[in-house]
Amino acid sequence: AQSVTQPDIHITVSEGASLELRCNYSYGATPYLFWYVQSPGQGLQLLLKYFSGDTLVQGIKGFEAEFKRSQSSFNLRKPSVHWSDAAEYFCAVGEGSGGYSTLTFGKGTMLLVSP
Amino acid sequence: KAGVTQTPRYLIKTRGQQVTLSCSPISGHRSVSWYQQTPGQGLQFLFEYFSETQRNKGNFPGRFSGRQFSNSRSEMNVSTLELGDSALYLCASSPGGGETGELFFGEGSRLTVL
Repeated sequence: AQSVTQPDIHITVSEGASLELRCNYSYGATPYLFWYVQSPGQGLQLLLKYFSGDTLVQGIKGFEAEFKRSQSSFNLRKPSVHWSDAAEYFCAVGEGSGGYSTLTFGKGTMLLVSP
Repeated sequence: KAGVTQTPRYLIKTRGQQVTLSCSPISGHRSVSWYQQTPGQGLQFLFEYFSETQRNKGNFPGRFSGRQFSNSRSEMNVSTLELGDSALYLCASSPGGGETGELFFGEGSRLTVL
């Protein structure tokens, strides 16, 4: 069965500093990988996705992620964090028809942004 | 285009009762998925419906059930509520035609079981 590990439960970053959130997955075939963000009281919003091709994918809000098959990782990065980026971030792997019908999520990383 | 709409947003029930949650997907989307989110277990897949048929099911007891109507709206039902069913229940929709894509999530229904 597939699984997703986000080793950091909380991360605090200073505003303007760079950010990297870690994600490792376990999946037998080529994975469909996603990063979602959840603000308090809100649903999940897709930041970016990887299905195939270029291993560096660009997303919304200035985020990017790099797929590394050899390390089973899909880390999320942002060069300069803004206070509005404070939220909980979820990495997910998809399977099923088209690769997205069922998502397995990591436990999430809560990002705190300090002034 | 309107997003995914879930009702009710908040509800309180007592143990042993049952609850029905509703989800209206984005217009034109035929796939609806349900997820349970709790602090301890995180986000867990409940089930997915496509064209009124359950296509995938997660590892939840039979007390959790769902259905989808011809207009793609979906409901999920939890019978004989337990304290552990307190959670945020998220609905997500997608076109569902087999193309790769993203899930569009609603804001969720927060269920508290007392």
